[in-house]
Amino acid sequence: NAGVTQTPKFRVLKTGQSMTLLCAQDMNHEYMYWYRQDPGMGLRLIHYSVGEGTTAKGEVPDGYNVSRLKKQNFLLGLESAAPSQTSVYFCASSPFRAGGSYEQYFGPGTRLTVT
Amino acid sequence: GQQVMQIPQYQHVQEGEDFTTYCNSSTTLSNIQWYKQRPGGHPVFLIQLVKSGEVKKQKRLTFQFGEAKKNSSLHITATQTTDVGTYFCAGEGSNDYKLSFGAGTTVTVRA
Repeated sequence: NAGVTQTPKFRVLKTGQSMTLLCAQDMNHEYMYWYRQDPGMGLRLIHYSVGEGTTAKGEVPDGYNVSRLKKQNFLLGLESAAPSQTSVYFCASSPFRAGGSYEQYFGPGTRLTVT
Repeated sequence: GQQVMQIPQYQHVQEGEDFTTYCNSSTTLSNIQWYKQRPGGHPVFLIQLVKSGEVKKQKRLTFQFGEAKKNSSLHITATQTTDVGTYFCAGEGSNDYKLSFGAGTTVTVRA
């Protein structure tokens, strides 16, 4: 099993450009998450999904959109990139558990720079 | 939502010494999880604590969940160079399927 994979690994964007980050998992997990990691701030949740076709906002959703058309994929879109979105983006997935969550499995990350 | 505070932000340890990192939540948690991230890597799950007052051990690592389920700690004994990295605690509120991460404790080890 590949676990959680992310595409691309690195990207440089100019301000105002758009892009989509792809996350794929082959563990049949129900829950998927997008985080951003900035120095000294830990991991902040952008959006998450508790199942195919459903998404919800996390702690820092502004400037991002997501879609989960297939259970195994979770896409993160930036419509008009800003320098404040320079960060490392991690995707994670977690199996279903009634009344709460199990551990999260993280992808290798995407390092995004917006100039 | 809950806020999770973690201290210290940095921990410089002599090889062989012990240290502890602490995690505090503003609200009661349903469970708390700990992750380790090696430099340049991604977070990797270490353990989950669910019960009030729970203590779990993994070799040299001891994890505790407070009686009120609002705080947790990770204690590492006889630190080794393999312990280098950032340790994050992450708390889940009641049945909301998402975690709030602390800012992490970055550990460096002097040989």
